[in-house]
Amino acid sequence: RKEVEQDPGPFNVPEGATVAFNCTYSNSASQSFFWYRQDCRKEPKLLMSVYSSGNEDGRFTAQLNRASQYISLLIRDSKLSDSATYLCVVNKGGKLIFGTGTRLQVFP
Amino acid sequence: EAQVTQNPRYLITVTGKKLTVTCSQNMNHEYMSWYRQDPGLGLRQIYYSMNVEVTDKGDVPEGYKVSRKEKRNFPLILESPSPNQTSLYFCASSPGTGVHEQYFGPGTRLTVT
Repeated sequence: RKEVEQDPGPFNVPEGATVAFNCTYSNSASQSFFWYRQDCRKEPKLLMSVYSSGNEDGRFTAQLNRASQYISLLIRDSKLSDSATYLCVVNKGGKLIFGTGTRLQVFP
Repeated sequence: EAQVTQNPRYLITVTGKKLTVTCSQNMNHEYMSWYRQDPGLGLRQIYYSMNVEVTDKGDVPEGYKVSRKEKRNFPLILESPSPNQTSLYFCASSPGTGVHEQYFGPGTRLTVT
């Protein structure tokens, strides 16, 4: 079983839609969590950290459920520019473990 | 501009011909790391360095070497490249481990024939 698992997608959604991605992790000792965004053939960039109480940044909301060991990312009012791959990342003992990513395609 | 640079960006080489991919950061970060990214496998860590002269193996270190003689530079060396090292390579740096954002270089696409 992979340490961090994500649905690879693709999720094809129209502009303005709300879309949610989930990610599960296997190590209950994981300490911190992130969502990174990666555009095609480019470097990953931090989208947001995920806090235990949940956090919001504009149209993006991240949630953490430690009991069930999953992390979610909600994108509201999707834009064409949101098309990318979203990587779930877990810090295990100071080392980042990356999921394989969920691909999002927003169409007009 | 704060950044991580890698060179070359693209490289096609032949089996067994030693090569070095350079990585440099201008943010005075202690932590630097090399990853490779392959379809369906995600980003996997090759080597990392917590500071000058301190390096350690990641998940897939076989066939690679690194050095950290200066804080800003962290080159990746393939002494005898093989076709299974064809991949997209990313260098990253951060001010610390884990809880801090990692800043990635633009990537190096390596093909070994």
